[in-house]
Amino acid sequence: KAGVTQTPRYLIKTRGQQVTLSCSPISGHRSVSWYQQTPGQGLQFLFEYFSETQRNKGNFPGRFSGRQFSNSRSEMNVSTLELGDSALYLCASTPVGGYEQYFGPGTRLTVT
Amino acid sequence: KNQVEQSPQSLIILEGKNCTLQCNYTVSPFSNLRWYKQDTGRGPVSLTIMTFSENTKSNGRYTATLDADTKQSSLHITASQLSDSASYICVVSAALTSGTYKYIFGTGTRLKVLA
Repeated sequence: KAGVTQTPRYLIKTRGQQVTLSCSPISGHRSVSWYQQTPGQGLQFLFEYFSETQRNKGNFPGRFSGRQFSNSRSEMNVSTLELGDSALYLCASTPVGGYEQYFGPGTRLTVT
Repeated sequence: KNQVEQSPQSLIILEGKNCTLQCNYTVSPFSNLRWYKQDTGRGPVSLTIMTFSENTKSNGRYTATLDADTKQSSLHITASQLSDSASYICVVSAALTSGTYKYIFGTGTRLKVLA
């Protein structure tokens, strides 16, 4: 089975712009979670989607949003980018009925 | 407050030596504990996962232990190799009443193995 894929792998944006990141889970997995990872903060939970519904949300401002499609693929959007949004954004998928998370390689976002 | 603390923050060892990483947690209700290895710029990869009833679990040269009474876990790496240089992250899951899980991440231990 193919692993979790994320696109793009690298992205450079300017402050004030918006960005959309994509995540394709492992085939058959319906839960997708998003995380932000920075050197100082470690991994921080953004949100989790299951069957196109957000069922968990972390403590991030409303500029961070997401959605999930019927094929379980998920997108994350960040509007009005700030310098502090520079981070590695990871998504992870979980099989139905399971609790093991499988991470993708991440998208490295740099905001200048 | 649900919390996961890892120590040391960083560690440098010589190739071939053993080392032990620590994870202390205050998470309730506890569901399971996982250790991940994360190479620089890549996503975390699962090493071991342990539930409440498991004390020890091995994955090659990696051995994790769990003491649910003291809420402590350790990851022991035997005969370290250069490729073990990475960050090791401890993650504790809490089972929510909704039937979903909440994941609490430690900030990781950065291990460097020198030749």
